[in-house]
Amino acid sequence: EAQVTQNPRYLITVTGKKLTVTCSQNMNHEYMSWYRQDPGLGLRQIYYSMNVEVTDKGDVPEGYKVSRKEKRNFPLILESPSPNQTSLYFCASSFMGMNTEAFFGQGTRLTVV
Amino acid sequence: GIQVEQSPPDLILQEGANSTLRCNFSDSVNNLQWFHQNPWGQLINLFYIPSGTKQNGRLSATTVATERYSLLYISSSQTTDSGVYFCAVKPASSTLGRLYFGRGTQLTVWP
Repeated sequence: EAQVTQNPRYLITVTGKKLTVTCSQNMNHEYMSWYRQDPGLGLRQIYYSMNVEVTDKGDVPEGYKVSRKEKRNFPLILESPSPNQTSLYFCASSFMGMNTEAFFGQGTRLTVV
Repeated sequence: GIQVEQSPPDLILQEGANSTLRCNFSDSVNNLQWFHQNPWGQLINLFYIPSGTKQNGRLSATTVATERYSLLYISSSQTTDSGVYFCAVKPASSTLGRLYFGRGTQLTVWP
């Protein structure tokens, strides 16, 4: 089954404790990205990757890191989480080019206390 | 960037009623998707519909790309249809996979 898998689904952590949210897709998509969703602000893109070892900033990259060492995986790293990073996070993937459908992971609800 | 506007922002229905949700976008697109966000926060992919009409059970969608809008129809609403419905588009000028989301329509269906 074609899917994007995120882990964990829920996470409560403390300020400053490094964490990684994993994302994996099995559709051989070149393009992968991370979004965060906040009340009143909608979904905003954090980082994206066009292929292995090619990443770039989205609208709200501060406080986040990403890596793309393999085509299927695109982890989101919070080196020193802060309470303002409490949010609902989504990973998405698609082929590059026109007329391509995007697929989203199940979401990760992160709380930083 | 491209603007995506959804209406109405909120919709309250009784079970069995029909509804139409609208999505307007400010520029040409080569991708338009409708999502349902359930109470657990998951984004459920309803339709990939850059143009034309599609139907899936009680739901159908129409995109008129030349006039820059899309409509999502929900017939015979059920309480399980409650949640937020998002429209998301990809500008025709972009080959990247980035989607631009509207603010959503909050649908509440009462029994």
